[in-house]
Amino acid sequence: GEDVEQSLFLSVREGDSSVINCTYTDSSSTYLYWYKQEPGAGLQLLTYIFSNMDMKQDQRLTVLLNKKDKHLSLRIADTQTGDSAIYFCAETGDTGRRALTFGSGTRLQVQP
Amino acid sequence: EPEVTQTPSHQVTQMGQEVILRCVPISNHLYFYWYRQILGQKVEFLVSFYNNEISEKSEIFDDQFSVERPDGSNFTLKIRSTKLEDSAMYFCASSDVQGRTEAFFGQGTRLTVV
Repeated sequence: GEDVEQSLFLSVREGDSSVINCTYTDSSSTYLYWYKQEPGAGLQLLTYIFSNMDMKQDQRLTVLLNKKDKHLSLRIADTQTGDSAIYFCAETGDTGRRALTFGSGTRLQVQP
Repeated sequence: EPEVTQTPSHQVTQMGQEVILRCVPISNHLYFYWYRQILGQKVEFLVSFYNNEISEKSEIFDDQFSVERPDGSNFTLKIRSTKLEDSAMYFCASSDVQGRTEAFFGQGTRLTVV
């Protein structure tokens, strides 16, 4: 079945860039997403990218997709302490499957 | 900004009891979902619902689970006879007609089975 993998933890200093990586196995993945989960909160959709795109930029967020390697990354520029959270990569396919397959989440810790 | 709301935020129940988790999806959305996250594990898909019927379900969604849209606004997940391993955070989500680009999640209901 589909699988999505992420590293578990990333620590950066405030003002630096953060890069969170994700790999997936489903070659038919059509949409890939990044969700943010703050402590005690739900899943907040940050951004998504369609599989025919290589890059998408949205303010401080840049998503890069390497479809050949099935690799997705999220870059957060000028990382702030408020960015500390768990970031989930997720994907869904194009075969009528709407269910999201999530990675295990990367905990981002921003040091002041 | 419209949001998905879930109640209760935390529910404690005894093993073997039935629980109903409630969700109010975003009003113009037509696809509804339940996911769960066991502590320390991945968020897992349970079921999706469209046009008053289940459109997809995972292996987790066995006969002890059911979903219902009892009126025009609520979407519920019922667990008939809870087990200890049902303890998890349950998330409701909804998306619009296109469905693929944005699924909005609620804050979750933490279910603890004792």
